Amino acid sequence: AQKVTQAQTEISVVEKEDVTLDCVYETRDTTYYLFWYKQPPSGELVFLIRRNSFDEQNEISGRYSWNFQKSTSSFNFTITASQVVDSAVYFCALSEANFGNEKLTFGTGTRLTIIP
Amino acid sequence: NAGVTQTPKFQVLKTGQSMTLQCAQDMNHEYMSWYRQDPGMGLRLIHYSVGAGITDQGEVPNGYNVSRSTTEDFPLRLLSAAPSQTSVYFCASSKRTGNTEAFFGQGTRLTVV
Repeated sequence: AQKVTQAQTEISVVEKEDVTLDCVYETRDTTYYLFWYKQPPSGELVFLIRRNSFDEQNEISGRYSWNFQKSTSSFNFTITASQVVDSAVYFCALSEANFGNEKLTFGTGTRLTIIP
Repeated sequence: NAGVTQTPKFQVLKTGQSMTLQCAQDMNHEYMSWYRQDPGMGLRLIHYSVGAGITDQGEVPNGYNVSRSTTEDFPLRLLSAAPSQTSVYFCASSKRTGNTEAFFGQGTRLTVV
């Protein structure tokens, strides 16, 4: 069975600090996909990134970066120079390659609060 | 584009009542899914569908029914609501192929009293 663990339940940082959200996953599949979603206070789910298991290159998008390490089964998310608008709950998720996007296993989420 | 539309946004039910949560997408996506979000538990998969006429159970299917008669619609039925079904429900859709994301609706907040 698949499992996603986000051990950090809540994190608070002062604005402009860097922050890393941890995600550890378990799967027996050799091919799988990893995701990060953001849920702002308004409640919708905002897609951030999708990464397949064959692509271990780190990715950077503006202030966001992701570190994928198969050796430690981790897919961590770093926000550089955090802003108040980054305050949200962040979810890491996993899907098996055979299922694509219709069968996601989510972690319990990390609530990030950016203090002005 | 409307994307994924869920109705209603809020609902209060009495124990034992039945209702249907509606989900419609206008992106011609093959895949659709229902999740529930509970505090401290993330999102858990209830049911999913890979195409019209095809549905399957997810992690927490008990107490819920689904059907997929068209590509666009994927309603979730609560046959006899229980307080344990108080939750926020999200519908999602995605394409079958390609490196794409799952698009989520705005959610339905359901309270069973």
